[in-house]
Amino acid sequence: QKEVEQDPGPLSVPEGAIVSLNCTYSNSAFQYFMWYRQYSRKGPELLMYTYSSGNKEDGRFTAQVDKSSKYISLFIRDSQPSDSATYLCAWTSGGSYIPTFGRGTSLIVHP
Amino acid sequence: DTAVSQTPKYLVTQMGNDKSIKCEQNLGHDTMYWYKQDSKKFLKIMFSYNNKELIINETVPNRFSPKSPDKAHLNLHINSLELGDSAVYFCASSQEGGYGNTEAFFGQGTRLTVV
Repeated sequence: QKEVEQDPGPLSVPEGAIVSLNCTYSNSAFQYFMWYRQYSRKGPELLMYTYSSGNKEDGRFTAQVDKSSKYISLFIRDSQPSDSATYLCAWTSGGSYIPTFGRGTSLIVHP
Repeated sequence: DTAVSQTPKYLVTQMGNDKSIKCEQNLGHDTMYWYKQDSKKFLKIMFSYNNKELIINETVPNRFSPKSPDKAHLNLHINSLELGDSAVYFCASSQEGGYGNTEAFFGQGTRLTVV
């Protein structure tokens, strides 16, 4: 079983839709969870990070962690074409601060 | 101002050649990394340096040799290039934020094509 599963997509949605992006993980040692966004031919950039179970909101973005189910999600409200990118879940574990990445989900928001 | 810059942006070379990729960060961070992103967008850590000292060396062929002359620079030298080395290589830097949380800042990537 892989440590982290993330559907590569692509996920295609119309503008204004609510988008749900997900990762499941198997290692209970995972501590911090992050979502990075990567535009085509650019480096990844941090969107949000969270530690505890629950929700964290930042504008149109909400990160959710359920440690009991080992499930992390990113919700995007009122999606825009400019949100079209690859979204990578990431984590740190064992006291390390070096992020490890999932395979990423490609999101396409069409006008 | 560019925070993490790497050169060159594109690199096309023949099998068997030796090449280097340079990386510089002006964020004052202590830790720098090299990641490799394959054609399926999988981003995998290769090396990590903290204050010029190697702290992570994942299972990477010894044809790959990182060098950190100072904490603002981390270069990657690759000997005897193979077709499978074709990928996008990202340099990144971070400053530990405590309790294992940190933000990694990435360069724009170097797209290496071995022919």
